[in-house]
Amino acid sequence: QVQLEQSGAEVKKPGASVKVSCKASGYTFTSYYIHWVRQAPGQGLEWMAILNPTHDSTTYAQRLQGRISVTTDTSTGTVYMELSSLKSEDTAVYYCARGTGSPDYWGQGTLVTVSS
Amino acid sequence: DIQMTQSPPSLSASVGDRVTITCRASQGITHYLAWFQQKPGKAPKSLIYAASSLQSGLPSKFSGSGSGTDFTLTISSLQPEDFATYYCQQYDSYPYTFGQGTKLEIK
Repeated sequence: QVQLEQSGAEVKKPGASVKVSCKASGYTFTSYYIHWVRQAPGQGLEWMAILNPTHDSTTYAQRLQGRISVTTDTSTGTVYMELSSLKSEDTAVYYCARGTGSPDYWGQGTLVTVSS
Repeated sequence: DIQMTQSPPSLSASVGDRVTITCRASQGITHYLAWFQQKPGKAPKSLIYAASSLQSGLPSKFSGSGSGTDFTLTISSLQPEDFATYYCQQYDSYPYTFGQGTKLEIK
């Protein structure tokens, strides 16, 4: 069965970086893109980025450009999302999701808390 | 960026009711529209893709329609497990924007 297993919760100080992992299993890793979506406490969903694992190409939301980096380790089927220069507004649950068009399967989410 | 506007922001309904949620795009997105259900503390769950295609394994009580700029999600015969927040998302062009959500509550 398709599974996306994300790394555990993180607490970071303002200005630091965080790296969240998403390990895919149960399907051919290179056949589907991986999205990153976040949700601040009590807020809606925000699309952040998409990775094409076949070509290792990425597209980022303009508002995060320069602070976000999505990379992949095709040998293990793992995708990494790194967000730098963290601000309190980056406190959110971060989700990875599979889907070449819209997402179909989602990870369980990773809570990232940015606090001094 | 394409703006997605959902209405209503919240909705009260009773078990057994049929409800409709609307999503409007700020520009045409043909049929590149998805719907998601989210319960508190849980990851979103994919319901509909390509405006009207039901994700595998889901009951036919969920249906989507529309094209261009105007879309609807209809849920028939509401059950207690259907009370949640619903989001639309366009995937016609980057960034793949979401609507602000519609919270479906029990009356």
